[in-house]
Amino acid sequence: DAGVIQSPRHEVTEMGQEVTLRCKPISGHDYLFWYRQTMMRGLELLIYFNNNVPIDDSGMPEDRFSAKMPNASFSTLKIQPSEPRDSAVYFCASSLRGGQGAVNTEAFFGQGTRLTVV
Amino acid sequence: KQEVTQIPAALSVPEGENLVLNCSFTDSAIYNLQWFRQDPGKGLTSLLLIQSSQREQTSGRLNASLDKSSGRSTLYIAASQPGDSATYLCAVRVNKLVFGAGTILRVKS
Repeated sequence: DAGVIQSPRHEVTEMGQEVTLRCKPISGHDYLFWYRQTMMRGLELLIYFNNNVPIDDSGMPEDRFSAKMPNASFSTLKIQPSEPRDSAVYFCASSLRGGQGAVNTEAFFGQGTRLTVV
Repeated sequence: KQEVTQIPAALSVPEGENLVLNCSFTDSAIYNLQWFRQDPGKGLTSLLLIQSSQREQTSGRLNASLDKSSGRSTLYIAASQPGDSATYLCAVRVNKLVFGAGTILRVKS
């Protein structure tokens, strides 16, 4: 497997524009996580899905942020409208179920999308 | 609410030294603990995963231990090398992964 694949790797956009980040998880993984990383706040969990269903979106900062997972092999994180304070690196990660007695539950991260909003 | 703390925040050591990075968490009800490495401008690379029923895991010069009851984990790096310079992050897993702020390691040649 090629690992978790994110696109684009870099995105520069103007304030007010819509931004869509994409993620392809590792085949067979049933958990998908979206994180945001900044120098000030470190890694923040935005939302995570289990079997394509959003489980916890309490980390989504505002209504401008939305995430979807239409199928097991694709997820998007959308920001509309974007603002300069959204500038960060956005990571997607996937894993298998992490319940008691579960094995092979290692989480794998994509290379991230560096978003700059000017 | 699960909180993860990593100490020290930064560490600078000469090459060849053995070192220990610390991670503590507030809620012992975890499924596993994972250590990651992050190089500047790069993604996170998984180093070691310890299941909640395990006490330690080893990979090459790395050894990670877990004491779930006390909410602590350590990452031991033997014979450090300049190539080990990076940020090291620990994360605990219930359903979601909760990260510490990381330890920035610099190994001087």
